[in-house]
Order: sequence, then structure tokens, then C-alpha cells
Amino acid sequence: EAGVTQFPSHSVIEKGQTVTLRCDPISGHDNLYWYRRVMGKEIKFLLHFVKESKQDESGMPNNRFLAERTGGTYSTLKVQPAELEDSGVYFCASSPMTVNYEQYFGPGTRLTVT
Amino acid sequence: QQQVKQSPQSLIVQKGGISIINCAYENTAFDYFPWYQQFPGKGPALLIAIRPDVSEKKEGRFTISFNKSAKQFSLHIMDSQPGDSATYFCAARFAGGTSYGKLTFGQGTILTVHP
Repeated sequence: EAGVTQFPSHSVIEKGQTVTLRCDPISGHDNLYWYRRVMGKEIKFLLHFVKESKQDESGMPNNRFLAERTGGTYSTLKVQPAELEDSGVYFCASSPMTVNYEQYFGPGTRLTVT
Repeated sequence: QQQVKQSPQSLIVQKGGISIINCAYENTAFDYFPWYQQFPGKGPALLIAIRPDVSEKKEGRFTISFNKSAKQFSLHIMDSQPGDSATYFCAARFAGGTSYGKLTFGQGTILTVHP
């Protein structure tokens, strides 16, 4: 069974540019989560999809961040325009609807804004 | 406002020793407490988890001790091995309302096991 995949693995962009991160959850997992870890700090929740619907986006930093989940499958997280403080590692995790306590994480996308 | 506090930030242990990582939480709405292990270049992977109605859970060399009244829980790694060298995160799952399922993490502990 393929795990959670994320693309790209690393992105370096300049302040003011736009970046789109992609997450492909494990097939059949209705729950999809985005988290972010800023250097040396804790992993922080950004938002939660149940299928294609946003269940909880209380962790989104501001309106420069836009997440979508097309057809309840893969998800994208767009940052526009990027700021220096957006740098960090963005993780995606998924879990099945019936066992939502066990979240499977992807390898993360390291975003560097210069 | 950090709801789960983890210590120490880094830990060095000799092979065969016991590694102990501690976490404390504040929110009583948490209902599940997992520990994640992360190797460089990889995402966090679930290691072991416990529910608050259990005081201890053991899986192989890994044990979680849970103190509900003190709102503290800890990970013990017995007979630590160099292959255990990784970053460990404690976490707590929120059980309330629309935020159900989201994890709140500690800051992480970098464990180094010397051979």
C-alpha cells in the first residue's frame, strides 16, 4: 500500500512569489490534515478535510494560505504571496474515517522563502 | 500558547540505557495521546499511543506512562539502540466539536544513542 506522498520535497522561492504544495493521501482515507513545523518548534495544525469539505481550518495563519481538496482525493496548499515567516516544513497526514486517531504522515515539503 | 510541553529538547543516551521523554498538557479535552518517531527526511510515524483511562502501555521496548491527575505522560525506551536515534514528538488529540481529530504536538526531542 502506497503511503502519503507530497510534492515537491523542497521548494525555494522569493518573498512575494506563489507556491503550491500537493499531497496525495493514502487511497480510501477520507480525513486529510495539513500541519507545519517552523524550525525548532512544534508541529502545528493548519487544517482538516473530510473528503472534499473543510472540517476545521482554525490553524490557517492568514488569508494568504488557501487549501483545496479536489474530489476528496489529493489536496493542494497554496501560499500567495509568500512571506519569510512561511518558511518551514509542511506535512500532510491522512487517516481513514473509522479510525481517525491514527494519522499517517507524508515526508513533508520543506519550504524556504528568501 | 503551547498546549503540550515536551522535555528535554535533546537527549544523549548510551546503548543499552533507558531514554525518558516527558510531556505535559493543559487541555482536558484531549482524548488520545500518541508518540511519533521521525527520522531525517521522513515524516513522523506513529510509534505508540495511549488513552487517558490507561496508566501504562507497553509495546516491545517502548512504554508510555500516563498520569491523568497530573496531566503528564512520558515515553520510556528500554535498552536504547543506535537505531532509535531520531526525533520524538508527543502529541494529544483534541476531542471536541469541529476540531475533533486534530493533533497538538510537543516541540520534539532529538534522541541520540551512542554505540
